Amino acid sequence: DIQMTQSPSSLSASVGDRVTITCRASQSVTTYLNWYQQKPGKAPKLLIYGASSLQSGVPSRFSGSGSGTDFTLTISGLQPEDFATYYCQQSDRTPNTFGQGTKLEIK
Amino acid sequence: EVQLVQSGAEVKKPGESLKISCKGSGYTFTGSWIGWVRQMPGKGLEWMGIIFPGDSDIRYSSSFQGQVTISADKSINTAYLQWSSLKASDTAMYYCARRAAQDAFDIWGQGTMVAVSS
Repeated sequence: DIQMTQSPSSLSASVGDRVTITCRASQSVTTYLNWYQQKPGKAPKLLIYGASSLQSGVPSRFSGSGSGTDFTLTISGLQPEDFATYYCQQSDRTPNTFGQGTKLEIK
Repeated sequence: EVQLVQSGAEVKKPGESLKISCKGSGYTFTGSWIGWVRQMPGKGLEWMGIIFPGDSDIRYSSSFQGQVTISADKSINTAYLQWSSLKASDTAMYYCARRAAQDAFDIWGQGTMVAVSS
């Protein structure tokens, strides 16, 4: 199975900050890398698919980049509603494993 | 509106069987894979497996193979996840989700909480 490692595991930031979360795959997943946001008590929500494609309806302050084994999710200009847990997922090979999550908290 | 609606919360005893459901609407159910994802209390997301309702092709994670059964009834646009003998360690929230572009999960059900306790 492909292992997905996110860093950091948790992050404190302020409204208006720019934050970056990284995701590393144990082998190349080309651009089959997706990012999800999950708020407490809610189902995950797709933000980015194919490493850099913004899902319909997702604000443009979210962006993704990378290919191969190293990927980043960037949030430019944090909003109060962005404080949540973020997961990466590879969809190159089944099982389509998730990262362990990054909890973004308010500083 | 494209949506997946899951069956309600369950409370079961160890050793009991269970089948939970996920009903799709607003799109061609037989044309997209449906996946199941486990989230244990306070933990992350775990990919369990996927099914293509059009032909019932199924892929399991090795972590869940033999522990659960994934199925679908395309006549009623519903996918299922079932256990033949529940354990306390099966206590978790279970989500179904539709696989779309780049095989990402674009639509998620609301989740089904399964609690297993004696």
